Amino acid sequence: ETGVTQSPTHLIKTRGQQVTLRCSSQSGHNTVSWYQQALGQGPQFIFQYYREEENGRGNFPPRFSGLQFPNYSSELNVNALELDDSALYLCASSGTGATNEKLFFGSGTQLSVL
Amino acid sequence: DAKTTQPPSMDCAEGRAANLPCNHSTISGNEYVYWYRQIHSQGPQYIIHGLKNNETNEMASLIITEDRKSSTLILPHATLRDTAVYYCILPYTGGFKTIFGAGTRLFVKA
Repeated sequence: ETGVTQSPTHLIKTRGQQVTLRCSSQSGHNTVSWYQQALGQGPQFIFQYYREEENGRGNFPPRFSGLQFPNYSSELNVNALELDDSALYLCASSGTGATNEKLFFGSGTQLSVL
Repeated sequence: DAKTTQPPSMDCAEGRAANLPCNHSTISGNEYVYWYRQIHSQGPQYIIHGLKNNETNEMASLIITEDRKSSTLILPHATLRDTAVYYCILPYTGGFKTIFGAGTRLFVKA
């Protein structure tokens, strides 16, 4: 049990729709990272938020956007959904966003795009 | 992006030690080696990390070679619940981001 919670656990959308995924970070953590994990692959880094600012981004298009709130919870928004966006979306929190920090992951949101 | 190499899969008998290797031949002096595991349909879970010295905790042991170009994660008495994908990672590689490779799928068999 990491204390990182994600909602919803499962979601079904159709191509072209928009989706918002939510993450509550572990108490005391101010950094949230988002990952996309396609079936059979390792998690791919989307972006990281540190104290409400985007702190780095992976190789994802602008239709993937995020937000971090003053309580350090976070949202991942995906616009114009494509079939390839079907994946497990993972949120991880850490204390300060420093490189050598343990990440604490939530159980993820399974998104299916039809 | 990933600078680690792991075998795609391994088998281990229940109760025996599971030794999972990882090559990181281009590791730099300030890069830690981290291990996570992911049980089916759950988020990755931190196991252990180290810089130079061997490390042990309640979950596993980490052996890092003297030249730091490879490491081995040891689960001393594997159980069926240890069946998972194990990721060897160098967080500093990506700076602020932790890059995951494909990992090793460990099957623990009764």
